[in-house]
Amino acid sequence: DTEVTQTPKHLVMGMTNKKSLKCEQHMGHRAMYWYKQKAKKPPELMFVYSYEKLSINESVPSRFSPECPNSSLLNLHLHALQPEDSALYLCASSQAYLLNTEAFFGQGTRLTVV
Amino acid sequence: QQQVKQSPQSLIVQKGGISIINCAYENTAFDYFPWYQQFPGKGPALLIAIRPDVSEKKEGRFTISFNKSAKQFSLHIMDSQPGDSATYFCAARFGNYQLIWGAGTKLIIKP
Repeated sequence: DTEVTQTPKHLVMGMTNKKSLKCEQHMGHRAMYWYKQKAKKPPELMFVYSYEKLSINESVPSRFSPECPNSSLLNLHLHALQPEDSALYLCASSQAYLLNTEAFFGQGTRLTVV
Repeated sequence: QQQVKQSPQSLIVQKGGISIINCAYENTAFDYFPWYQQFPGKGPALLIAIRPDVSEKKEGRFTISFNKSAKQFSLHIMDSQPGDSATYFCAARFGNYQLIWGAGTKLIIKP
């Protein structure tokens, strides 16, 4: 199983809503990532978790709050988002923190903030 | 110095032809160069990758050519098929975790 599963696939939320994105992998990977991708642009790294601890926060606004409940799950909690936060949010995992091992991406959650 | 420059932005190739996408970089500290393929509505998938001590790597119809002295690398897709139509990103690894991505190339294979 080389799959990273993200739910939901699509999400529409208002600027005052609170929602969560979920990501799951069962490959035994110990590094998990959140990326944001705008249309026709490459993915931008947001957060890196290594062994369930937040290792990297790429200066992401606090309205995005990541959580790693266990080694298989990664959440992204959303609160008070802005329309410009609308994007494809991608979760990825890799065997280890170093990216010399292959990173597997999920299909993403298409987020629209209205 | 952290940039990876990718060209062309878009590419149309006839079925059966060779698709070529080029990337260039400046930072000699980059040590791993993957190519990702992304279909609309999907996440990127690793296609093929190379390290700078190798000049060429081939996997099926996909080949990476790497020119360390010129700081350039390219993806060649032989016998291009309509199913290859996708956006392709080159990238370069910097440090422990950071991938520097190219801007992407939208490839269309005409039947």
